[in-house]
Amino acid sequence: RKEVEQDPGPFNVPEGATVAFNCTYSNSASQSFFWYRQDCRKEPKLLMSVYSSGNEDGRFTAQLNRASQYISLLIRDSKLSDSATYLCVVENDYKLSFGAGTTVTVRA
Amino acid sequence: NAGVTQTPKFRVLKTGQSMTLLCAQDMNHEYMYWYRQDPGMGLRLIHYSVGEGTTAKGEVPDGYNVSRLKKQNFLLGLESAAPSQTSVYFCASSPSDDYGYTFGSGTRLTVV
Repeated sequence: RKEVEQDPGPFNVPEGATVAFNCTYSNSASQSFFWYRQDCRKEPKLLMSVYSSGNEDGRFTAQLNRASQYISLLIRDSKLSDSATYLCVVENDYKLSFGAGTTVTVRA
Repeated sequence: NAGVTQTPKFRVLKTGQSMTLLCAQDMNHEYMYWYRQDPGMGLRLIHYSVGEGTTAKGEVPDGYNVSRLKKQNFLLGLESAAPSQTSVYFCASSPSDDYGYTFGSGTRLTVV
């Protein structure tokens, strides 16, 4: 079983729409959680950390459910510039494990 | 502010050749990592280092070696390149183990 699993999508949404997707992780002892964004053929960039109480950063909301071992990301009022692959990332013992990514395409 | 710099950015190798990928960071980060990314797969950890002079194996270490003689540099070596090592290689650094990584822009390696 993969350590981090994501729905690959793609999620194809119109501008202004809300899109949400989850990932699951297998190690219940995982300590830190993140969402990264990766644009085509570029390096991943940290979008936001995910805290147990849930957190927002502008139009982005992240949630963590430790009991069910899943993490979610919600994007409100989608912009064309939000088109990217979103990587779910889990930290264990100094190391980050990455999901394969969820692709989001926002259309005009 | 350069962040994490990887060299080279592109390389084509013949099977059996060797090469070294260089990662340099100017943020005084303790932790450094080498990942590879293949189509349809997440980034997979090759080797990592939690400080100068230390290295450890990750998920897919076979066929690679690393060294961290200086805190700011983390070298990834391919001793005898194979077509299965065709990939995009990313280096990353972090100030601690619960903080997000900063990635380099990647090295696109093709082994023919």
